[in-house]
Amino acid sequence: AQSVTQLDSQVPVFEEAPVELRCNYSSSVSVYLFWYVQYPNQGLQLLLKYLSGSTLVESINGFEAEFNKSQTSFHLRKPSVHISDTAEYFCAVTLLRGSQGNLIFGKGTKLSVKP
Amino acid sequence: GAGVSQTPSNKVTEKGKYVELRCDPISGHTALYWYRQSLGQGPEFLIYFQGTGAADDSGLPNDRFFAVRPEGSVSTLKIQRTERGDSAMYLCASSPQGRETQYFGPGTRLLVL
Repeated sequence: AQSVTQLDSQVPVFEEAPVELRCNYSSSVSVYLFWYVQYPNQGLQLLLKYLSGSTLVESINGFEAEFNKSQTSFHLRKPSVHISDTAEYFCAVTLLRGSQGNLIFGKGTKLSVKP
Repeated sequence: GAGVSQTPSNKVTEKGKYVELRCDPISGHTALYWYRQSLGQGPEFLIYFQGTGAADDSGLPNDRFFAVRPEGSVSTLKIQRTERGDSAMYLCASSPQGRETQYFGPGTRLLVL
């Protein structure tokens, strides 16, 4: 069965420090990969996605993620975080075969940025 | 433009009652998904519509759960004989095609007392 694992449930960091949120997936077929962000009291928003092409993808607010097929990982990184990055981050995949495109989510990582 | 909307934002009901949760997708999006998110968990897939038909309902937990999308736009998730374990955030997402990007609504938080 396909699954997504986010190893860290909570990540506290200080402002301007770098951060990495880890995501690994298990799938017998090819996948598309996504990171969604949920700010306090708001809905899920797409942060970035990997569909094909360059394995390094970037968001407009400085986050990046790299698809590593051999390690089945899609870790999210930011070199310098801001207070406003405090949110819950969800990694998700969708199968390219054998599904209707529904997302399979990890349990989420709560990023807490402290001044 | 308008995003995905869901009503109500919060619903409190008693065990055994019937509830309806509504999702209004982005105009023109043919794909619509329902997910359920329990506390401390990621969203879990419930059902997928392509147009008016339920193309995949494999995520519905049991036959108390049912969803419709009669005109290929608004969808209603219906839960009969609610149980305390049904308490969760119910999320709706729509997509132009389905597989590449899904846009989520703010969710309906259901509490069954």
